[in-house]
Amino acid sequence: NAGVTQTPKFRVLKTGQSMTLLCAQDMNHEYMYWYRQDPGMGLRLIHYSVGEGTTAKGEVPDGYNVSRLKKQNFLLGLESAAPSQTSVYFCASVNGQGFTYEQYFGPGTRLTVT
Amino acid sequence: GQQVMQIPQYQHVQEGEDFTTYCNSSTTLSNIQWYKQRPGGHPVFLIQLVKSGEVKKQKRLTFQFGEAKKNSSLHITATQTTDVGTYFCAADGGGNKLVFGAGTILRVKS
Repeated sequence: NAGVTQTPKFRVLKTGQSMTLLCAQDMNHEYMYWYRQDPGMGLRLIHYSVGEGTTAKGEVPDGYNVSRLKKQNFLLGLESAAPSQTSVYFCASVNGQGFTYEQYFGPGTRLTVT
Repeated sequence: GQQVMQIPQYQHVQEGEDFTTYCNSSTTLSNIQWYKQRPGGHPVFLIQLVKSGEVKKQKRLTFQFGEAKKNSSLHITATQTTDVGTYFCAADGGGNKLVFGAGTILRVKS
């Protein structure tokens, strides 16, 4: 199993450009999440999904959109990038069954917006 | 919404010294999770605590959940250079979400 993978690993965008970050998991997990990580602020939830075809807003959703057309994939889109979106983005997935809701994280995407 | 405060923000210890990070909430938590993130890496799940007063150990790491389920701690005995990284607590934020603390960065001098 590859676990949770993220594409791309690094990206530099100019202000106003758009891009899509792809998260894929091969563990048949129900729940998937997108976080951003900034120095001193921990992990903040952007959007999440509790199943194929469903999405919901997290703590910091503005400027981002998501889609979960297939259970194994969760896409994060930036329609018009801003310097404030410079961050490290992590995707995570959770089984959704059983007792422990352990989150499995991908390796991250480091995004710089100039 | 749910918030968890984590202290200290940063700690630099000599190899062999002990280390503790604390996680506090103003509300009762249903459970709490702990994660470790190595420099340049991604968060990795360490443990979940559910019961009031629960204590769990993983080798040199001891995790505690307070009696009132409003605080938790992670204690590392005799730190090693492999312990460096950021330690996060994460609380159930409802609706299948987690709320993460800001993390404690641990540096170990050898």
